[in-house]
Amino acid sequence: SQTIHQWPATLVQPVGSPLSLECTVEGTSNPNLYWYRQAAGRGLQLLFYSVGIGQISSEVPQNLSASRPQDRQFILSSKKLLLSDSGFYLCAWRVQGGYEQYFGPGTRLTVT
Amino acid sequence: GDSVTQMEGPVTLSEEAFLTINCTYTATGYPSLFWYVQYPGEGLQLLLKATKADDKGSNKGFEATYRKETTSFHLEKGSVQVSDSAVYFCALRSNSGGSNYKLTFGKGTLLTVNP
Repeated sequence: SQTIHQWPATLVQPVGSPLSLECTVEGTSNPNLYWYRQAAGRGLQLLFYSVGIGQISSEVPQNLSASRPQDRQFILSSKKLLLSDSGFYLCAWRVQGGYEQYFGPGTRLTVT
Repeated sequence: GDSVTQMEGPVTLSEEAFLTINCTYTATGYPSLFWYVQYPGEGLQLLLKATKADDKGSNKGFEATYRKETTSFHLEKGSVQVSDSAVYFCALRSNSGGSNYKLTFGKGTLLTVNP
């Protein structure tokens, strides 16, 4: 069966520090991968998606970036965090051409 | 563009009460529709889905029917339990053009069920 992992589970970082969040998927090949942010409440904002290794599309311009160095690994990064980057970051995957997305457990980021 | 509108709540019910969470959508063509649930501190879980008009998705006592004439996908449960307390998201996936890679979510509805 397929599983999706995210780490760390929680993170507290000062403003201006770098960020690296990792997401890995097991049990499937060549998935579509997604990063979402859920900030100060419940709405979900799509940040990035990837259809393959090295292929990243950005939905919202900001100081975050994403990379996909391996087929089942998706990384969210920042060189300098802002207070507004605080939130709950969710990674998701989907079978190519499939209907539904499956979400990871999330990373709670607090920027102080 | 595509959009999903759902009642924002919060919704507070007593155990065994009837639940309805309204969801309407705007999309071109014939989207697929979903309900996701998020328990406190966790990621989202797919609750149910419907991929064409008049389909009824169901799971764990929850149901939703894809109504194309009213562009709606309302979530219902006949008797809620305390364990149903969570945030519920309605979402759609466009099946047309270049937008079929992503889901469009509503803002979520917080449900609290009291014993």
